[in-house]
Amino acid sequence: AQSVSQHNHHVILSEAASLELGCNYSYGGTVNLFWYVQYPGQHLQLLLKYFSGDPLVKGIKGFEAEFIKSKFSFNLRKPSVQWSDTAEYFCALRQVNFNKFYFGSGTKLNVKP
Amino acid sequence: GAGVSQSPSNKVTEKGKDVELRCDPISGHTALYWYRQSLGQGLEFLIYFQGNSAPDKSGLPSDRFSAERTGGSVSTLTIQRTQQEDSAVYLCASSWGGGLGETQYFGPGTRLLVL
Repeated sequence: AQSVSQHNHHVILSEAASLELGCNYSYGGTVNLFWYVQYPGQHLQLLLKYFSGDPLVKGIKGFEAEFIKSKFSFNLRKPSVQWSDTAEYFCALRQVNFNKFYFGSGTKLNVKP
Repeated sequence: GAGVSQSPSNKVTEKGKDVELRCDPISGHTALYWYRQSLGQGLEFLIYFQGNSAPDKSGLPSDRFSAERTGGSVSTLTIQRTQQEDSAVYLCASSWGGGLGETQYFGPGTRLLVL
């Protein structure tokens, strides 16, 4: 069965530290990959997405993610986090031939000012 | 334009009662999804509607759960004979419908507490 794994459940960083959140998936077919973010008290919103082409995807607020097909990974990165990045981050996969999404369990990021 | 809206925002009910949760998708979106987010868990897919096609109900956890979508727009998720394990945030999302650039837009969710 398809699945999305986020191994970091809770990450605590100081401002200006670099961030990398892991996301691995299990599905052998063609996939679209997403990172969603949920700021405190707000809706889930799209951070970035990968469909095809350049495996390095840039999103909003300085985030980027790299799709490494051989490793079934789509890790999220940011070189220097800010207090306002405190949120919960979800990795998601969409099977291209089915309009079905699978979400990871989320990573709570707490950035200390 | 308006985003996805859900009502009620919070619902407290007693075990054994039925509840209905409503979702208003973004106008023009043909695809609609329901998810459940339990405490400390990711989003669990429940059901997916796409236009006039038969819904994908593969994620519904039991026959106590059902959903319908009237006129290709508003959707209602019904939970019959609620149990305490049904307590969760129920999220609705909509999208244009199956294209390569597909992005889901989420509503604020309904927080359900079954006592």
